[in-house]
Amino acid sequence: RKEVEQDPGPFNVPEGATVAFNCTYSNSASQSFFWYRQDCRKEPKLLMSVYSSGNEDGRFTAQLNRASQYISLLIRDSKLSDSATYLCVVTVTGYALNFGKGTSLLVTP
Amino acid sequence: EPEVTQTPSHQVTQMGQEVILRCVPISNHLYFYWYRQILGQKVEFLVSFYNNEISEKSEIFDDQFSVERPDGSNFTLKIRSTKLEDSAMYFCASLSGANYNEQFFGPGTRLTVL
Repeated sequence: RKEVEQDPGPFNVPEGATVAFNCTYSNSASQSFFWYRQDCRKEPKLLMSVYSSGNEDGRFTAQLNRASQYISLLIRDSKLSDSATYLCVVTVTGYALNFGKGTSLLVTP
Repeated sequence: EPEVTQTPSHQVTQMGQEVILRCVPISNHLYFYWYRQILGQKVEFLVSFYNNEISEKSEIFDDQFSVERPDGSNFTLKIRSTKLEDSAMYFCASLSGANYNEQFFGPGTRLTVL
């Protein structure tokens, strides 16, 4: 069983659309949760941390449901520059990051 | 803005050869990591390093791998006898310890084993 599972996509959406990504994790001892963004052949970059209360950063909203072991990311008003792979990341120890395989997003004009 | 740097950007080697991948973490960071990403696959944790010792390692990080912080700035990953399946992008990351959340990743070294 994969520890962090994501729909690989690709998600193809027009500019201005709202798109949602989901992620599930298997280890109930997981402590911290993140969304990272990875552009093609580049390093992962932190997009946002995810908290149980939910959190928002501009057009991005992340939610965590510990009971269901489920994490989501909502992107509103998609921009061309949002095209990337979005990585769901979980950590048990607080240090070793456990990555999902990622969901690919393509925003088209 | 401070950043993690890695050299070389691309390393080609013959199977069985030793390689050393180099990283310069952000200067006031205390925790250091190596990850790898095989083409088309997910990013995988290899090892974490704190206070001059390994704090955690994955199943991938077997006896052919080692890490070292030889001076106050560099953090290296050595692969003693490379295999074809070691071909991957290797990312170094660092974390300050003050900001618990954010690991900053370097641009990676693409290792190709022939």
